[in-house]
Amino acid sequence: EIVLTQSPGTLSFSPGERATLSCRASQSVSSSYLAWYQQRRGQAPRLLIYGASNRASGIPDRFSGSGSGTDFTLTISGLEPDDFAVYFCQQYGSSPPLTFGGGTKVDIK
Amino acid sequence: QLQLQESGPGLVKPSETLSLTCTVSGGSIRTNNYYWGWIRQPPGKGLEWIGSMYYSGSAYYNPSLKSRVTISLDTSKNQFSLKLSSVTAADTAVYYCARMRGGLLGGPSYYFDYWGQGTLVTVSS
Repeated sequence: EIVLTQSPGTLSFSPGERATLSCRASQSVSSSYLAWYQQRRGQAPRLLIYGASNRASGIPDRFSGSGSGTDFTLTISGLEPDDFAVYFCQQYGSSPPLTFGGGTKVDIK
Repeated sequence: QLQLQESGPGLVKPSETLSLTCTVSGGSIRTNNYYWGWIRQPPGKGLEWIGSMYYSGSAYYNPSLKSRVTISLDTSKNQFSLKLSSVTAADTAVYYCARMRGGLLGGPSYYFDYWGQGTLVTVSS
């Protein structure tokens, strides 16, 4: 089973700062099969990044994804008030076919 | 614009079967290269994938839930459903339905691009 580890569980930033979130896989993951989601309080998750680095439709360019193999990163350049939320990474691969990371909460400092 | 909406009982008794339906509007569940799936989130916790099904009947399930899960599609109603049997308190969660891009065409795949708003199901007597 591929385990996705997102640590730390909470990161604190001031508005306007740059946030870098980590997603580490226990085994190599194809970049084509790595996605990132944002979940605001009380809402469903929203797709941000697919294929490790492709922004989903309507996602601002301050969100970017990078990485390969076992280490992937979501960067938010210039945090805006709506960006304070929980972020999950997700992979598709070996059994179980699909898993999510535990999430990182981006908090206001 | 594609929209998904979950419906079903908000309270289920232990040992009974949880049944939810997702109604899709603004698009067809017979769309090539897209699966239709369920994800759940216990209160205050992370996301757990339950399973995904293609309109042809091909399906993937989370092995940890596979023995209790049935996902089915009704193309005539543009709906898909989840049944989870023998529920316990550990199955209490917000259940989301979502569309998943498949891998038929290669390239970036197996991500959820449209989600329902979610529905809370509590397992309690």
